[in-house]
Order: sequence, then structure tokens, then C-alpha cells
Amino acid sequence: QVQLQESGPGLVKPSQTLSLTCTVSGGSISSGSYYWSWIRQPAGKGLEWIGRIYTSGSPNYNPSLKSRVTISVDTSKNQFSLKLSSVTAADTAVYYCARSEWGEYGDYDVYWGQGTLVTVSS
Amino acid sequence: DIQMTQSPSSLSASVGDRVTITCRASQSISSYLNWYQQKPGKAPKLLIYAASSLQSGVPSRFSGSGSGTDFTLTISSLQPEDFATYHCHQSYSTPITFGQGTRLEIK
Repeated sequence: QVQLQESGPGLVKPSQTLSLTCTVSGGSISSGSYYWSWIRQPAGKGLEWIGRIYTSGSPNYNPSLKSRVTISVDTSKNQFSLKLSSVTAADTAVYYCARSEWGEYGDYDVYWGQGTLVTVSS
Repeated sequence: DIQMTQSPSSLSASVGDRVTITCRASQSISSYLNWYQQKPGKAPKLLIYAASSLQSGVPSRFSGSGSGTDFTLTISSLQPEDFATYHCHQSYSTPITFGQGTRLEIK
């Protein structure tokens, strides 16, 4: 059974860089055809797609965040990571990592991490 | 960006009721539409993919339909564990976008 687990600081100061890691267990991050995605959810609000990366391809980012986001994969550690620079209070949210599978009609997120709350505050 | 609009935003219903939630896309997305269920403090759970395909392990009381711009999620007979928030999600084009969510509450 595939499991994903987010880790990283729960508190980040404004203007600094938010860094999160998603550790994948129960399968190799480099096997199969999957996207590895980041999604966030501010308290009481809807889900926002941040971006995704295919193990051997270029990442896709949400244009609303593109200038500040970097998603990367470390196959040796079976992890993928999110960096979001120049954060503000608006970046406070629960951050989820997910494994996206795809079929005839696009991709969908079957496996999710439990989510980690990141608060931006001085 | 493709905008996804769900209706209603919230809904009160009773155990045993039949419930329908609607999702409308701002442009045609064929069948590139998925539905998720989210309970408080938990990650979303995939219910329906490709508009109408039931994810493995999801009870058959959940069903999805639609194509193009208009989609529906139907729960045929509400169970106590179904009270949650439901999100639609398009993967037709990036940026991938979600609806604002529909909160299903106990009447």
C-alpha cells in the first residue's frame, strides 16, 4: 500500500522560503507512470493545485504561483519536495502531497498524504 | 484557467435521502472530471474519476455523470458516514482547478 507523508517546518516567517518534503513508502517513486503533486488548502477554503512533477520530466506549476514555486524529485530518497519563496500570510494553509494517476480522461489523485499545516507569521 | 462552480455550496439532508451535487466548468472539459470527498481534518478521498468511473472500494451508492461542462455527483441513499465536503476537480488542462466545495450536513 502506497503511503505519502509530508514533513517540514510548521511555522515560516514572512518573506522566507517554505520547504516541504513528501516521503513515499510502499513503492518506488521512479516506478510506474505517475505525477507527484502538491495541493494546498487554506483554513475553511477550497483546494488549490500548486503543481506536479513526473519522475523523468519537467514540472508543471500553477501560473498564480509559478514565479515562487519549485518542485523537485529525489529518487535516491524516494521523496519529492516543494519550495515556495517569498511567502506571505496568504500562503498559510494545509499542504498536501499526492500521487496522481492518469487514464483516458486525465489524471486524478488516488493517494494523499495526511497534510501538514504551514503558518506564515513573524 | 478553467473555473469550476459547484452548487449548492451547502446542503442539509437526512440519512436515506437521495442527494445530487452539480459542478459546472467554464469551458468544455469532455470527461476530465473527478470527485473527491473530504472529512474534517482529513485529506480528500477520490470517489469518481473520468466523470463516471467509480474508484475501487467506493460504495456503489455514489455515482457520477455528465460530460462537456455539466456534471453531477449523486448519492443514492445517504449514510451517516457520507456527511462531508465534496469537491469536483478538472484535469483537462493546467492549471488543474477544483470547485469551491459542497458541504453536506445532517438535517
